[in-house]
Amino acid sequence: GAGVSQSPSNKVTEKGKDVELRCDPISGHTALYWYRQSLGQGLEFLIYFQGNSAPDKSGLPSDRFSAERTGGSVSTLTIQRTQQEDSAVYLCASSLLGDSRSPLHFGNGTRLTVT
Amino acid sequence: KQEVTQIPAALSVPEGENLVLNCSFTDSAIYNLQWFRQDPGKGLTSLLLIQSSQREQTSGRLNASLDKSSGRSTLYIAASQPGDSATYLCAVKKGTGNQFYFGTGTSLTVIP
Repeated sequence: GAGVSQSPSNKVTEKGKDVELRCDPISGHTALYWYRQSLGQGLEFLIYFQGNSAPDKSGLPSDRFSAERTGGSVSTLTIQRTQQEDSAVYLCASSLLGDSRSPLHFGNGTRLTVT
Repeated sequence: KQEVTQIPAALSVPEGENLVLNCSFTDSAIYNLQWFRQDPGKGLTSLLLIQSSQREQTSGRLNASLDKSSGRSTLYIAASQPGDSATYLCAVKKGTGNQFYFGTGTSLTVIP
């Protein structure tokens, strides 16, 4: 079956513009995560969804960042008024149940460049 | 906050060698630990997941062990191949549904 799909794979935007990043998790996976990976740094947690609810959004770096998930499936991460420090690879992952037995499955990410 | 450390940051070995990658974490109250590989420009591929009640997991040439009390996990790769060249990351999960904490990875190069 299909894995986690993210689009676009690359996005170049001007500072101050809004961007939307999309994630299609594996079908049937209830848990969905967004992470950010900056050059030379580890993965930074952004937000976690269980179904359509986001019980943990503690990693969102500012109120310019928001995310939603609809139908227990597709998720969109929106960054408003982008800044150069937002440049990074944004990774989405899903897992079947979000419990201790369910491994994370990642998409290939969206590389965001803010000029 | 959970801190996850991976040492060394980079490792280069000749083909055929057995090798061990290390992962240490500061808080032993974890639900599971997962090892991933990441190829350049790609996402992370899950290799092995060890639940907190388990001591090790094996898949092919890979064996991962977990010692919660000492806050350590190792990934053993047998008979390394050039195709094993990638960055290997470990991640620990603390609490149901909570975030995974990632190490910064070990970049492995297997020389033909």
